[in-house]
Amino acid sequence: EAAVTQSPRNKVAVTGGKVTLSCNQTNNHNNMYWYRQDTGHGLRLIHYSYGAGSTEKGDIPDGYKASRPSQENFSLILELATPSQTSVYFCASGERGEQYFGPGTRLTVL
Amino acid sequence: GEQVEQRPPHLSVREGDSAVIICTYTDPNSYYFFWYKQEPGAGLQLLMKVFSSTEINEGQGFTVLLNKKDKQLSLNLTAAHPGDSAVYFCAVSPTSGGNYKPTFGKGTSLVVHP
Repeated sequence: EAAVTQSPRNKVAVTGGKVTLSCNQTNNHNNMYWYRQDTGHGLRLIHYSYGAGSTEKGDIPDGYKASRPSQENFSLILELATPSQTSVYFCASGERGEQYFGPGTRLTVL
Repeated sequence: GEQVEQRPPHLSVREGDSAVIICTYTDPNSYYFFWYKQEPGAGLQLLMKVFSSTEINEGQGFTVLLNKKDKQLSLNLTAAHPGDSAVYFCAVSPTSGGNYKPTFGKGTSLVVHP
């Protein structure tokens, strides 16, 4: 059974709309991460969390918010989506730097 | 902050050949080192991890070497087969104060031809 799941797997949004990407983990890991993956850029860290109630800015946080309401759940929120946020988004959970990734969400902002 | 350079960005080999991917990092305090494999349309999958020492880890058909003196991490596929075709990423993580925010290389796209 998959330990890190993401929903939705695919999303088409309109410019200016609000988008919420959800992540759930059953690994009981304290740390969770949100990345985006674009050709030529590899993986870029958006936000991460050390535990329920905590969120930290990653390397590219502008335009994104994060929420960690529980150990298991970590959401990424785009309040005003823009076409530049079209990408594949990955969530991961982990300990001591070791990470376990979800299958990804492909987001297209028109 | 930590910077990780991964090379080559693309690698094409024939079945049975060896393939080597190298990552160079900058922070001498880096402690945890990882290799991930990403197949098309999927998330990254942990392939191997090594910790703070000059170390060789061997998995099924591959060898990982960590050289802390030169701040270099390498992945060597000894006899590649088409199922190894994927994108490979290295990752480096510090250990100070519980901060386990890893830094990833930009990836190497490996194609193994039959």
